[in-house]
Amino acid sequence: EAAVTQSPRNKVAVTGGKVTLSCNQTNNHNNMYWYRQDTGHGLRLIHYSYGAGSTEKGDIPDGYKASRPSQENFSLILELATPSQTSVYFCASGDAGRDYAEQFFGPGTRLTVL
Amino acid sequence: GDSVTQKQGQVTLSEDDFLFINCTYSTTTYPTLFWYVQYPGQGPQLLLKVTTANNKGISRGFEATYDKGTTSFHLQKASVQESDSAVYFCALVDTNAYKVIFGKGTHLHVLP
Repeated sequence: EAAVTQSPRNKVAVTGGKVTLSCNQTNNHNNMYWYRQDTGHGLRLIHYSYGAGSTEKGDIPDGYKASRPSQENFSLILELATPSQTSVYFCASGDAGRDYAEQFFGPGTRLTVL
Repeated sequence: GDSVTQKQGQVTLSEDDFLFINCTYSTTTYPTLFWYVQYPGQGPQLLLKVTTANNKGISRGFEATYDKGTTSFHLQKASVQESDSAVYFCALVDTNAYKVIFGKGTHLHVLP
């Protein structure tokens, strides 16, 4: 019973199209995060959230929006997808408090924008 | 700002070899440091954690020691196995913003 799940696991989109990546966590964590992983760049933070209704910009937010409608769900939205957004996207959750880095990651979504 | 540096992009070893992955960091606060491991096709998972209170973390045969003098947090293992093949990330808590800063990762390939 995976605690952080992501859907879809793979997605092919067209340039200019809208893409929504979904994340669900059953850890009851307050904090949730969206990262992208690219060769040579490691993990880069796109958006994060401290709880339902909140979203914060990470280090590379341009071209992305986020939505946190509930404690369990956190979505990443690409309104106008571009080929440069082709990547593997990871969602993570973590407790509020001192141990912010102890995050629990989902399995990832591989997005290809043609 | 805070940063983490992993200079080794890839390391190739044979089974039973000694593993050493370099990580250095920069921060103005007392750091909490982590090593995460990412196996093929999976998301990263926490391997071990070190704070200034304990200085050393040990997990699954891996060990990392925090050295304030050299601002290093190297990962070591005495004898690697093929199953240790993965990407290893050093990470630092950015205590000002309560975010995590990850290194670029080191891809470990262990030959049978």
